[in-house]
Amino acid sequence: DGGITQSPKYLFRKEGQNVTLSCEQNLNHDAMYWYRQDPGQGLRLIYYSQIVNDFQKGDIAEGYSVSREKKESFPLTVTSAQKNPTAFYLCASSPGQIEQFFGPGTRLTVL
Amino acid sequence: AQKITQTQPGMFVQEKEAVTLDCTYDTSDQSYGLFWYKQPSSGEMIFLIYQGSYDEQNATEGRYSLNFQKARKSANLVISASQLGDSAMYFCAMRPTVSNFGNEKLTFGTGTRLTIIP
Repeated sequence: DGGITQSPKYLFRKEGQNVTLSCEQNLNHDAMYWYRQDPGQGLRLIYYSQIVNDFQKGDIAEGYSVSREKKESFPLTVTSAQKNPTAFYLCASSPGQIEQFFGPGTRLTVL
Repeated sequence: AQKITQTQPGMFVQEKEAVTLDCTYDTSDQSYGLFWYKQPSSGEMIFLIYQGSYDEQNATEGRYSLNFQKARKSANLVISASQLGDSAMYFCAMRPTVSNFGNEKLTFGTGTRLTIIP
């Protein structure tokens, strides 16, 4: 089936550790996005990529890094520089026309 | 810059009644798109409906319709004949529709939690 997969579903991190969240899509979409959602809040854009080997910072990029080596994959690394990383992370992709399609999300908790 | 405002943090509606979720927006873009997404407790974002700023007719998708009032900068979602499965968070979002590179990011509102009462 075509869609977006995110792994893991739940992730626990100790303070000071870097962690990488996976996002894979088989929809052949050019654009991919990472959003962060905090309780009771809307989604805020972290990074986005329109094509392979290129990506742009979103509104809250500090403490995060991404790569886009393949069209299908857009992993997000949460670094130790992110001071408050506990949140729900959503990956999305788009053919660049109208809607964005979202993955099921990863819930990150810092212990 | 774009901004979305959803002023209803939570709503309770009787099953089978219609419900209107409010959304107002602010943008300097001439061409833009408005979206509604549903987020159940499982967390995934489900696309519901889209309205382009130059579309003359209000968008409809099954039980969902978008009441678009451009002069008032509002894009309210109307759900007819509500069902228990409609209980979820609902987010209004927008983005420019000019196809410039890197110009398709969505701006979201803070959401409305809708609870359908049996």
